[in-house]
Amino acid sequence: SSELTQDPAVSVALGQTVTITCQGDSLRSYYVSWYQQKPGQAPVVVMYGNDNRPSGIPDRFSGSSSGNTASLTITGAQAEDEADYYCNSRDSTAYHHVVFGGGTKLTVL
Amino acid sequence: EVQLVQSGAEVKKPGESLKISCKGSGFNFATYWIVWVRQMPGKGLEWMGIIHPDDSDTRYSPSFQGQVSISADKSINTAYLQWSSLKASDTAMYYCTRRVDFWGGPQVEYNWFDPWGQGTLVTVSS
Repeated sequence: SSELTQDPAVSVALGQTVTITCQGDSLRSYYVSWYQQKPGQAPVVVMYGNDNRPSGIPDRFSGSSSGNTASLTITGAQAEDEADYYCNSRDSTAYHHVVFGGGTKLTVL
Repeated sequence: EVQLVQSGAEVKKPGESLKISCKGSGFNFATYWIVWVRQMPGKGLEWMGIIHPDDSDTRYSPSFQGQVSISADKSINTAYLQWSSLKASDTAMYYCTRRVDFWGGPQVEYNWFDPWGQGTLVTVSS
């Protein structure tokens, strides 16, 4: 099956910009979505189709994808953005199958 | 409101069977693919499998094929995840989520998962 690789942990100073990346061969062919998970809560989609932001997600969140790397950028990180972030795309080995990245723990200092 | 509501936490012994549920409301449940995701303690998200309630077409991740069974009853807008013989290593939080498809012409261009159920914590311990 396909694999998506994320940095385990990233930190950012309050109000600064941070980019969380996701790498994998499947990203060359398929779109990526991103999920935010805060402690004790279910995941929530924060970006889909590479760069589409769901309603209710602050516009400080943006997404992009090029080649085998997708990125989720938070411009002006807030304390409430501290969470785990997971990328996700289709698995190139079988239709309907998907793969999640290992997750990135974002700390806002 | 579109939502998925899962059954409550379970505490089981190794070897016991279990069936947990995920009930949808606020949307046409039968026409959306429903996904199950495992999250072991302190770990990341793992895709387990997917079902289309309208015809019960089901696919499994190779990692979970033969280990669990996914089913659905569209008449009551509910999907299920079932074990016939639990192991301690099945201890985890289990989420269901709805796959939303974006059609770019005659085929699905991309999809995402929204909403997610609140999760069902399964604890297997002797």
